[in-house]
Amino acid sequence: NAGVMQNPRHLVRRRGQEARLRCSPMKGHSHVYWYRQLPEEGLKFMVYLQKENIIDESGMPKERFSAEFPKEGPSILRIQQVVRGDSAAYFCASSPPNQGEGETQYFGPGTRLL
Amino acid sequence: ILNVEQSPQSLHVQEGDSTNFTCSFPSSNFYALHWYRWETAKSPKALFVMTLNGDEKKKGRISATLNTKEGYSYLYIKGSQPEDSATYLCAVREGSSNTGKLIFGQGTTLQVKP
Repeated sequence: NAGVMQNPRHLVRRRGQEARLRCSPMKGHSHVYWYRQLPEEGLKFMVYLQKENIIDESGMPKERFSAEFPKEGPSILRIQQVVRGDSAAYFCASSPPNQGEGETQYFGPGTRLL
Repeated sequence: ILNVEQSPQSLHVQEGDSTNFTCSFPSSNFYALHWYRWETAKSPKALFVMTLNGDEKKKGRISATLNTKEGYSYLYIKGSQPEDSATYLCAVREGSSNTGKLIFGQGTTLQVKP
């Protein structure tokens, strides 16, 4: 079972461009989480999605950021009109449904956005 | 706002030494605590998930304990080896659901010298 896949691994964007980060969860996993690691900081929650639904977006910046997890295909984190402060490592994690009390999130390798 | 604290921030030990580090969290509204191991340039890998006060988990030379009443968890490494060098992350989930966001601490970076 392949792990969580993220692409691209590195992404360079000029100010004002759009960044699209992709996450393919592990097979059988229907829950996807996005976390961000800003320079010199820890992992911070951004958004939690299940297939076609946003469950919790309390960590998403109010503007320019959006996320989706369509019925088919990977989850996408989209950043419009990037600014310098968006430079970070963006990690995706996935988990299967019905794990019981000890739900484990499995992390991808991250996308470094510059 | 839930704040997860880890100490120490970094630790340097000799091969063969045993070591431990701490994760502190508010005890109210606690649901589960996760420990992850994160090697440079790789994905965070799940070590343990604990939910019950007094839980103890063990995997090889690594073990963890949980005290939900006072809000802390310890991670122990017995007989440290150079391959144990990594950042160890603690993360807490609040509420009553077994899914949802994890709140991460800043991590403890362990360096084991041969």
